[in-house]
Amino acid sequence: GQQVMQIPQYQHVQEGEDFTTYCNSSTTLSNIQWYKQRPGGHPVFLIQLVKSGEVKKQKRLTFQFGEAKKNSSLHITATQTTDVGTYFCAAEFGAGSYQLTFGKGTKLSVIP
Amino acid sequence: DTEVTQTPKHLVMGMTNKKSLKCEQHMGHRAMYWYKQKAKKPPELMFVYSYEKLSINESVPSRFSPECPNSSLLNLHLHALQPEDSALYLCASSHTQANQPQHFGDGTRLSIL
Repeated sequence: GQQVMQIPQYQHVQEGEDFTTYCNSSTTLSNIQWYKQRPGGHPVFLIQLVKSGEVKKQKRLTFQFGEAKKNSSLHITATQTTDVGTYFCAAEFGAGSYQLTFGKGTKLSVIP
Repeated sequence: DTEVTQTPKHLVMGMTNKKSLKCEQHMGHRAMYWYKQKAKKPPELMFVYSYEKLSINESVPSRFSPECPNSSLLNLHLHALQPEDSALYLCASSHTQANQPQHFGDGTRLSIL
């Protein structure tokens, strides 16, 4: 089936350092969403990217969608302990398919 | 706080039991989803209901039986489960199509003895 590859699997950073997670697909995506799941919690929607080359910012978080709509990234500037959790990308391959394919996630640990 | 409510939060059952998981949302969403999530893994889609009709069944074993009584409620009936079915079961909803944000409930943590 269609897959989206997400790297790295784990990332340990010192508080104040930056963090980036990447998602890649071999096929063009209709759109990509990003979710954050805190330990013991449920996935929480962060953002949706639809347009080629789209860049969106939420405070210290920057989300990008590649020109070919095959890759995406999430960058956090100056991490804080509240950023701890697992970040998932979730891709829709066909418009209106109802089906999100989740990446394996990147677990972020922040050392105070 | 989540706008999607799941009950129970925890469930322990034997392999011969029958139980049901419940999910409720009052956001007027017309698409509802069941996901299974094992530890340290991403959510895996099981079923999708659109306008109370089953639109996607991801080849889920028949021991899992979904039901959508109305636009606000989603059930997952469980029967004769196996130990490998132990997982977090997440319900989610979205306005209509998957290219809209999904709102997840807190999940039901299921343990099969």
